Amino acid sequence: GENVEQHPSTLSVQEGDSAVIKCTYSDSASNYFPWYKQELGKGPQLIIDIRSNVGEKKDQRIAVTLNKTAKHFSLHITETQPEDSAVYFCAAINTGNQFYFGTGTSLTVIP
Amino acid sequence: DAMVIQNPRYQVTQFGKPVTLSCSQTLNHNVMYWYQQKSSQAPKLLFHYYDKDFNNEADTPDNFQSRRPNTSFCFLDIRSPGLGDAAMYLCATSRDLHNEQFFGPGTRLTVL
Repeated sequence: GENVEQHPSTLSVQEGDSAVIKCTYSDSASNYFPWYKQELGKGPQLIIDIRSNVGEKKDQRIAVTLNKTAKHFSLHITETQPEDSAVYFCAAINTGNQFYFGTGTSLTVIP
Repeated sequence: DAMVIQNPRYQVTQFGKPVTLSCSQTLNHNVMYWYQQKSSQAPKLLFHYYDKDFNNEADTPDNFQSRRPNTSFCFLDIRSPGLGDAAMYLCATSRDLHNEQFFGPGTRLTVL
């Protein structure tokens, strides 16, 4: 089965700095990679996703990169703001429709 | 607004007393999911419905069952809750299996 590893588990950055969270996966059949943000007491919300036929995707301050050969993908948040503080989960879905979350990264943006 | 609604937001039950959690959606999505999330952990998929087709994850205990009487509603039944079943239960929907999942706010279950 798939194994999704996520690093780091906690991350603190100064407001305005960039934050990078990395995930690796093991199943080469995985072809859809969403990133979710979960605030305290709320359900996860999709912030960006990428499919295996694309290497990079950007949406304002958020970008995701995918390296299929190395089986890793990363979330990049630029110009971080205090409201970016949350737990971020990566995920991978394979062609067998199996969905795997990473272990989560708790991001703190220090004003 | 189209959304995923979970009721109740907080549920307290006694050890061994059956409990049902409810999820409804106004998105008209084909797929509905149930996840269990324990403190400081990632959500763990329990099962999902693609339309009326039920798909159980291999490691989901038999104590957990689900029903989807129509497109809009999906229920999670815990037949005999144990202390280890205390968690946040998240419902999600997606248009198809490889699409964005929309999560509800969750139901926090406490087992006394």
